Amino acid sequence: GESVGLHLPTLSVQEGDNSIINCAYSNSASDYFIWYKQESGKGPQFIIDIRSNMDKRQGQRVTVLLNKTVKHLSLQIAATQPGDSAVYFCAENRDTGTASKLTFGTGTRLQVTL
Amino acid sequence: NAGVTQTPKFQVLKTGQSMTLQCAQDMNHNSMYWYRQDPGMGLRLIYYSASEGTTDKGEVPNGYNVSRLNKREFSLRLESAAPSQTSVYFCASSERAGAEAFFGQGTRLTVV
Repeated sequence: GESVGLHLPTLSVQEGDNSIINCAYSNSASDYFIWYKQESGKGPQFIIDIRSNMDKRQGQRVTVLLNKTVKHLSLQIAATQPGDSAVYFCAENRDTGTASKLTFGTGTRLQVTL
Repeated sequence: NAGVTQTPKFQVLKTGQSMTLQCAQDMNHNSMYWYRQDPGMGLRLIYYSASEGTTDKGEVPNGYNVSRLNKREFSLRLESAAPSQTSVYFCASSERAGAEAFFGQGTRLTVV
């Protein structure tokens, strides 16, 4: 069935280092992927997205890589800062043309140490 | 621009009570969603509305009903609350089906 999962539940990195958060998906028909950041007590916040016709997309300090061959998604955060501490979710969306049904993974907690 | 607004932010219910969670968006989005988030789990889709006038079940619809009152508002109703419905509920909206979803701040519901 459809599922989105993460390899690491908790990731601890030092301030200034780069962070890599991984995500596996199982639905090969999915054509759109989103990374969300959720800080404590808040709703998920969009970070970056990528469509299945792309392999890489860059934002400000963040890069998303998509490997469709092995159905793997990653989020890279450059020069990690204390404000990056949060839970990160990957979400998979299959565009049926009638509705967006985002399927979320369980999340990875990123802890930034000083 | 408030984005997605949910009310209330916190609620405690007794088993068997009913209540409605309210959600409104001011971004003129066509699609709206209700998710629940339990500890250690991702968000699970309860119901969604692809456009005004339509609603469909998501992954975990049992025990809930929804109403797309107009383009701005999408409410979630618990007819007879159960302890298993203790969770944080998030409303979200997107410009169109398949687009990025914007989330509200959440409603923390406890059923005792």
